[in-house]
Amino acid sequence: QKEVEQNSGPLSVPEGAIASLNCTYSDRGSQSFFWYRQYSGKSPELIMFIYSNGDKEDGRFTAQLNKASQYVSLLIRDSQPSDSATYLCAFSEGYALNFGKGTSLLVTP
Amino acid sequence: EAGVTQFPSHSVIEKGQTVTLRCDPISGHDNLYWYRRVMGKEIKFLLHFVKESKQDESGMPNNRFLAERTGGTYSTLKVQPAELEDSGVYFCASSHQTGGNTEAFFGQGTRLTVV
Repeated sequence: QKEVEQNSGPLSVPEGAIASLNCTYSDRGSQSFFWYRQYSGKSPELIMFIYSNGDKEDGRFTAQLNKASQYVSLLIRDSQPSDSATYLCAFSEGYALNFGKGTSLLVTP
Repeated sequence: EAGVTQFPSHSVIEKGQTVTLRCDPISGHDNLYWYRRVMGKEIKFLLHFVKESKQDESGMPNNRFLAERTGGTYSTLKVQPAELEDSGVYFCASSHQTGGNTEAFFGQGTRLTVV
């Protein structure tokens, strides 16, 4: 069974720090990887996707992919209290997404 | 532009009853997906429509679940009869295209509680 593993947290970081969220996956054939953010009671919203090895930056967010190690991470620079949410890692299997359980992030003022 | 909307937001029903969930995708999105999150578990794929056609329903738990998308617009997911293990949050998502890098937009979900 293809799996996505995430530490459930909560991960607590002080405001202004870098939050590092990690994810491993079991399917070596996976091609595209996604990070979704979900506030409590709200819909998951896409933050970034990455499909090439290396780093991809978008504003305060950087996604890192290492296919050899089957590892994808999300760095959030200058963390803000508004970043407090659950972050879901997913990989695409054709059109369907395979999600991890998510990591809860708490940014403290 | 309206996002993906789901109705109802919450539903509490008794075991053995029937419940129908509705999803209105973003206008113009041919692709519609249903997902489910059971408490303590990850979000799991249920099925995928392209317009009115079911492309993949491999994630549907059993034949108590029936999804339709008549006319290729909104979709319904019916659970009949509901069991306790059907409790969870049912998400609908839509996308303009398929493919690995296509963004899927999610609705806020319907929280179903079977008692």
